[in-house]
Amino acid sequence: GQQVMQIPQYQHVQEGEDFTTYCNSSTTLSNIQWYKQRPGGHPVFLIQLVKSGEVKKQKRLTFQFGEAKKNSSLHITATQTTDVGTYFCAPSQGGSEKLVFGKGTKLTVNP
Amino acid sequence: NAGVTQTPKFQVLKTGQSMTLQCAQDMNHNSMYWYRQDPGMGLRLIYYSASEGTTDKGEVPNGYNVSRLNKREFSLRLESAAPSQTSVYFCASSQRGGRFYNEQFFGPGTRLTVL
Repeated sequence: GQQVMQIPQYQHVQEGEDFTTYCNSSTTLSNIQWYKQRPGGHPVFLIQLVKSGEVKKQKRLTFQFGEAKKNSSLHITATQTTDVGTYFCAPSQGGSEKLVFGKGTKLTVNP
Repeated sequence: NAGVTQTPKFQVLKTGQSMTLQCAQDMNHNSMYWYRQDPGMGLRLIYYSASEGTTDKGEVPNGYNVSRLNKREFSLRLESAAPSQTSVYFCASSQRGGRFYNEQFFGPGTRLTVL
């Protein structure tokens, strides 16, 4: 079935440093969503990307969808302690409502 | 609005026992999902329901059954619990054609331990 590889698995940064997580697929994706899960919490929707080459920004977060729609990235500028958590990419399975979650990137931020 | 609610929050079972995890949503969503989350494994879909009366297997359905009782409720049943089913279980719901197609709203989770 469709799988995505998310890297890195873990990232530890100093507060104020930037952070990027990548999501790669061997197949073309119809769309991709990103979720954040705080420690002990549940996943919360961040964004959906649909178009080739799409770039969306939410304050310090920048989301990109590759031109070939096989990869995506989430970049956080000047991390804060509130950014701590695990970030998951989740492409749609075959364009359906079902999502295939990556294994996530766990971000820790040292104040 | 409560969003997606799950009961219980925590549960400890012995091998072979059965139990039902309950999930309800008050957002009038058509689609509901059950996931399990294990350390380092992300979220894996157990079962999915596109509408009342319909269910579909996900990636890891073995050992589980589901019931879409009505539009609001989607329950997950473990008939004979095994230690491999120790996990955190999340229920989610979504609405086709919403502002963000297929944005999923998650419940707080049920932490299940099978001894």
